[in-house]
Amino acid sequence: GQNIDQPTEMTATEGAIVQINCTYQTSGFNGLFWYQQHAGEAPTFLSYNVLDGLEEKGRFSSFLSRSKGYSYLLLKELQMKDSASYLCAVRSPYSGAGSYQLTFGKGTKLSVIP
Amino acid sequence: DAMVIQNPRYQVTQFGKPVTLSCSQTLNHNVMYWYQQKSSQAPKLLFHYYDKDFNNEADTPDNFQSRRPNTSFCFLDIRSPGLGDAAMYLCATSIKRAGRQETQYFGPGTRLLVL
Repeated sequence: GQNIDQPTEMTATEGAIVQINCTYQTSGFNGLFWYQQHAGEAPTFLSYNVLDGLEEKGRFSSFLSRSKGYSYLLLKELQMKDSASYLCAVRSPYSGAGSYQLTFGKGTKLSVIP
Repeated sequence: DAMVIQNPRYQVTQFGKPVTLSCSQTLNHNVMYWYQQKSSQAPKLLFHYYDKDFNNEADTPDNFQSRRPNTSFCFLDIRSPGLGDAAMYLCATSIKRAGRQETQYFGPGTRLLVL
């Protein structure tokens, strides 16, 4: 089975740092993605981890520990426009003849306040 | 700019009246996905095409069908929409090729309302 857990909501102050955690138990693992989704819009790709460690991309960093089934997304120097849902998604091999499949968490709704 | 396009952005249909949502892409990706996302929930994969090969999720209702007439276009057909099918429908694409990251890129979504 596939199970991905994230906190439902978080609030942080403009200019601060926030860490959004994701834990997963999945049958098969082939990478973990973080997506940002503003209300009523499509998810947009933020980061990808397949090996353990930290990946940094500007104000956003993502960390993965495969042995612990754990990832986090770190957002620095928060801006008001960072208010959105952040979706953790685990990629696993497809059981049939198709491509890989992504299983998404429900997302963490981040509110950035002045 | 290369992109994933979904039309229409908003679709209103009547209970039981067939409806088709469309997706096109200029990325030349060989995989196209359809997801259903209800409010405050995770996107749920309905099915995907890898080239011409259709791959259905086991729990996708028979009411949902898909067509991919060529690489660029993919359609989602809902044969008899029920009130529970009101949701955002997301199309995504990726490229499946050895050594590639295979990130999925999403279109803007079509929000379906069933009256």
